[in-house]
Amino acid sequence: NAGVTQTPKFRVLKTGQSMTLLCAQDMNHEYMYWYRQDPGMGLRLIHYSVGEGTTAKGEVPDGYNVSRLKKQNFLLGLESAAPSQTSVYFCASSQISNQPQHFGDGTRLSIL
Amino acid sequence: AQSVTQPDIHITVSEGASLELRCNYSYGATPYLFWYVQSPGQGLQLLLKYFSGDTLVQGIKGFEAEFKRSQSSFNLRKPSVHWSDAAEYFCAVGARGTYKYIFGTGTRLKVLA
Repeated sequence: NAGVTQTPKFRVLKTGQSMTLLCAQDMNHEYMYWYRQDPGMGLRLIHYSVGEGTTAKGEVPDGYNVSRLKKQNFLLGLESAAPSQTSVYFCASSQISNQPQHFGDGTRLSIL
Repeated sequence: AQSVTQPDIHITVSEGASLELRCNYSYGATPYLFWYVQSPGQGLQLLLKYFSGDTLVQGIKGFEAEFKRSQSSFNLRKPSVHWSDAAEYFCAVGARGTYKYIFGTGTRLKVLA
């Protein structure tokens, strides 16, 4: 039972570098989400998708891009990493609206 | 606009003691309500959810929560805490008709042996 799998688990980048975080779910869920978690701020929604080929902005989308080319995958990209993007990133998925979201184990990203 | 408040940043209890974690929300109608738990280095695991019906909801690991509309609260309770309950707990609100959650800032629980 893989559920939601995030790759990589840890990464250190230099300012200005780019990278892509991968989220894969095997539950055939329609909705997928990317959050960032920062101390004292809970989880904040970056981008989300309501189905294959769709994406939408969340609460804190600046500096990030996403793609959902396949239903099971949701990619989060950082085009030019900044220290303010140092965070723990979580991917989640849900079957339909307002059903509980299932979370991956997170990606810890540090930008130097 | 929706909002969720978890007033307690840290709570410390002794093993075997009872626990109550507070969650207050702001929303114009009855929302969907959730409690999640996060162990160190892990993702969020759903403890319980409230959609409608009985206002006392039972979850996993012996947790329960009560929805009180008049107080806009959804507090999490456990009669007897175990050392393995030490973790961070998040309350979340979902607006009906949308697929987005608003998370509280979390309450970190420490359990004393």
